[in-house]
Amino acid sequence: GENVGLHLPTLSVQEGDNSIINCAYSNSASDYFIWYKQESGKGPQFIIDIRSNMDKRQGQRVTVLLNKTVKHLSLQIAATQPGDSAVYFCAETLPYGGFKTIFGAGTRLFVKA
Amino acid sequence: GAGVSQSPRYKVAKRGQDVALRCDPISGHVSLFWYQQALGQGPEFLTYFQNEAQLDKSGLPSDRFFAERPEGSVSTLKIQRTQQEDSAVYLCASSERTSGMFDGELFFGEGSRLTVL
Repeated sequence: GENVGLHLPTLSVQEGDNSIINCAYSNSASDYFIWYKQESGKGPQFIIDIRSNMDKRQGQRVTVLLNKTVKHLSLQIAATQPGDSAVYFCAETLPYGGFKTIFGAGTRLFVKA
Repeated sequence: GAGVSQSPRYKVAKRGQDVALRCDPISGHVSLFWYQQALGQGPEFLTYFQNEAQLDKSGLPSDRFFAERPEGSVSTLKIQRTQQEDSAVYLCASSERTSGMFDGELFFGEGSRLTVL
């Protein structure tokens, strides 16, 4: 199907540690991926994106890795901070059918002080 | 405007009532999306507009759901004869994506939380 799924529903990490959030997608035709962060009561907020012709992209404290062979996406957060506590979603966009963006179920990240 | 604005932020409806949820996208954004987010779940795609054209409404759960964007800017999601299972947060997002573009960030509003009693 077109659903994007996540391996772990919750992740708890110590402040200062690195976090890795994983995502599996099912559609090999997906061309564009985004990671979003959602805090309680707010809409999803863009973190980082990657196109299918790349396998790695870095931002400020975040890195997204894409493995098209196994249809796997991950988000790495360096030196995790309490402000990083939120739900993280990966989303994929298909290059056809109106280019709608489809979200997975999300991973809740808890950062322990 | 500075961001995507949605109203009302909270709506309580009795089962069977009609509701209308409004979305003001970022000025100049061509694309507009509606999503439904149940508690503890990811956003589920409902429908997508490019300007005033509704290009995809495959995610609308039933014919009680109707969306419009008559002038290519403000959009309204209408739910007729609301049911308890319609209780969710309804998110609107806009994007600079134009025809032929599949990439580009979606900018989300804070959502309208609908509770059907």
